[in-house]
Amino acid sequence: QSALTQPASVSGSPGQSITISCTGTSSDVGGYNYVSWYQQHPGKAPKLMIYDVYKRPSGVSNRFAGSKSGNTASLTISGLRSEDEADYYCSSYTSSSNTYYVFGTGTKVTVL
Amino acid sequence: QITLKESAPTLVKPTQTLTLTCTFSGFSLTTTGVGVGWIRQPPGKALEWLALIYWDDNKFYSPSLKSRLTITKDTSKNQVVVTMTNMDPADTGTYYCAHRPSPYLCFDFWGQGTLVTVSS
Repeated sequence: QSALTQPASVSGSPGQSITISCTGTSSDVGGYNYVSWYQQHPGKAPKLMIYDVYKRPSGVSNRFAGSKSGNTASLTISGLRSEDEADYYCSSYTSSSNTYYVFGTGTKVTVL
Repeated sequence: QITLKESAPTLVKPTQTLTLTCTFSGFSLTTTGVGVGWIRQPPGKALEWLALIYWDDNKFYSPSLKSRLTITKDTSKNQVVVTMTNMDPADTGTYYCAHRPSPYLCFDFWGQGTLVTVSS
């Protein structure tokens, strides 16, 4: 079971936009529209930000947007704010290796 | 309002069996499509999916831990229990349970997590 690949860190200034990538394979990200994104602040439980590649749960700011191209999904945060500083994880359903679900390696977002 | 809460011993010895209990409210595990999953996070490291159980008792496990994990549900108590055998210091971390909504493949509500330390 291989984790989805994310950059270790991404940074941006307040008001800017940043994009976090999440690279998998045709057995997970590329093969299904079941990509989700989670935000995790230190010491807190993860929070669902995006599901089904681009859908936002009620209450999540429209500054967060998800997309996918081939085997790579992306999370874009626009109008970056200090409270966006957190760890972000992508995840996906997977049909490989008798498994079912896989998380990404995680990305630390820093607001400069 | 959906809530979940994990309970487990804070300290277990190597080779022992860990029992994790998730007690939830605000939904029923008899509702079609609903599931409860377990996810863990070693200190300073990434999330790792462990297991998932559905309303129809269908179960899925992480292949790397499948031989050590068993997930069960008790719908009368609104609980999901995971047992992990042969605990190792590398299993130290925070363990979360989370709600899988129907028909979506994600976890929309999470428990606060419980820290389990494996040490002799």
